[in-house]
Amino acid sequence: QVQLQESGPGLVKPSETLSLSCTVSGGSIRSNYWSWIRQPPGKGLEWIGYMYYSGTTKYNPSLKSRATISVDTSKNQFSLKLSSVTAADTAVYYCARGGDGDIVRFDYWGQGILVTVSS
Amino acid sequence: QSALTQPPSASGSPGQSVTISCTGTSSDVGYYNYVSWYQQHPGKAPKLMIFDVSQRPSGVSDRFSGSKSGNTASLTVSGLQADDEADYYCSSYAGSNNVFGTGTKVTVL
Repeated sequence: QVQLQESGPGLVKPSETLSLSCTVSGGSIRSNYWSWIRQPPGKGLEWIGYMYYSGTTKYNPSLKSRATISVDTSKNQFSLKLSSVTAADTAVYYCARGGDGDIVRFDYWGQGILVTVSS
Repeated sequence: QSALTQPPSASGSPGQSVTISCTGTSSDVGYYNYVSWYQQHPGKAPKLMIFDVSQRPSGVSDRFSGSKSGNTASLTVSGLQADDEADYYCSSYAGSNNVFGTGTKVTVL
């Protein structure tokens, strides 16, 4: 059974960079695509982007190149960096398996981590 | 890439059926058979209910079914139960991109 767990700071100051990690257990990060998805309080889901362990990445164009997703295969972990954050980036951030390739659907999700952007 | 359009709310009595629509474009829902549906209870992570338009993951009740016609996909929940009350989101692959629906709150009366 694949499990995902997000980790990182719950509070980030405006204009700084949000950094989160997702640790995968019960499966190898060398298989499938892995995505980040967020949900502002009381609002809907937004796909941020995905990565493949080989280094392939794709991002939601709406984020205007602020997002970077990277992988650490030695830790079976992938990470998200979102630069120049504003209050509009306050959201629950989820990591999930899927987004492209053989498994386009998001079939395994982390529990989510609330990140608040505030001074 | 704009969000897929869903009705804000839907409701039904226990035992009845409810159908939720998800309208996209010829670049996402209409082009790819990669529409999925997610159920989200308050404070919880979304749960995959339907994938590839009409496939059910192992463990998901057969009361949940999906279909697609043109640029619109649909999720039907039959035999409504109290635990079906939740937010539902559709999602579609759009060629190296993924887009979610606006979400529908299903209320069991």
